Amino acid sequence: GIQVEQSPPDLILQEGANSTLRCNFSDSVNNLQWFHQNPWGQLINLFYIPSGTKQNGRLSATTVATERYSLLYISSSQTTDSGVYFCAPPGGGSQGNLIFGKGTKLSVKP
Amino acid sequence: DAGVTQSPTHLIKTRGQQVTLRCSPKSGHDTVSWYQQALGQGPQFIFQYYEEEERQRGNFPDRFSGHQFPNYSSELNVNALLLGDSALYLCASSRDLYNEQFFGPGTRLTVL
Repeated sequence: GIQVEQSPPDLILQEGANSTLRCNFSDSVNNLQWFHQNPWGQLINLFYIPSGTKQNGRLSATTVATERYSLLYISSSQTTDSGVYFCAPPGGGSQGNLIFGKGTKLSVKP
Repeated sequence: DAGVTQSPTHLIKTRGQQVTLRCSPKSGHDTVSWYQQALGQGPQFIFQYYEEEERQRGNFPDRFSGHQFPNYSSELNVNALLLGDSALYLCASSRDLYNEQFFGPGTRLTVL
């Protein structure tokens, strides 16, 4: 099945800094989701992005399906951005399940 | 518009017992998927229900079973609990099998 790798595994930022999180996947995908998991375990939908670029406030995401990667940009980071960020494409073919990587753990210091 | 809800929030069981977790999907959603998340890992897919049938299953033993009701809500049952079943169990709902998935707050299961 499809493999998902995220980098970096850990990231520490000062409040106000920008960052780029990367998600590589081993096979072509027809959509991809980005999530933020807060310290209480809730997975919050950030983007549903099969290809191209989407923006939502300080966050934006770009997926280049032909090159099998997606990027999540966080600008002017805030302490509330702390948590784990996951990308998750579907399993492929007729599969509707999401395949998660190990995530990027982000810590934003005041 | 209520999001995905799960109950209970926390649960403590002992080895060998059985547990049932519940999930109600977002309004307008008809598909429910269940995931297990061990500490420090990403969620792992257990199974997916649509039209009251299990449509897809991940690499989990038969001790894990589920059900979907006519109102689209779902249950996850785990028999003969093992210590390794301790995890956060997440339910996700979507408009159909392949659409964007939205997650509930999870049930944290501890097996002693």
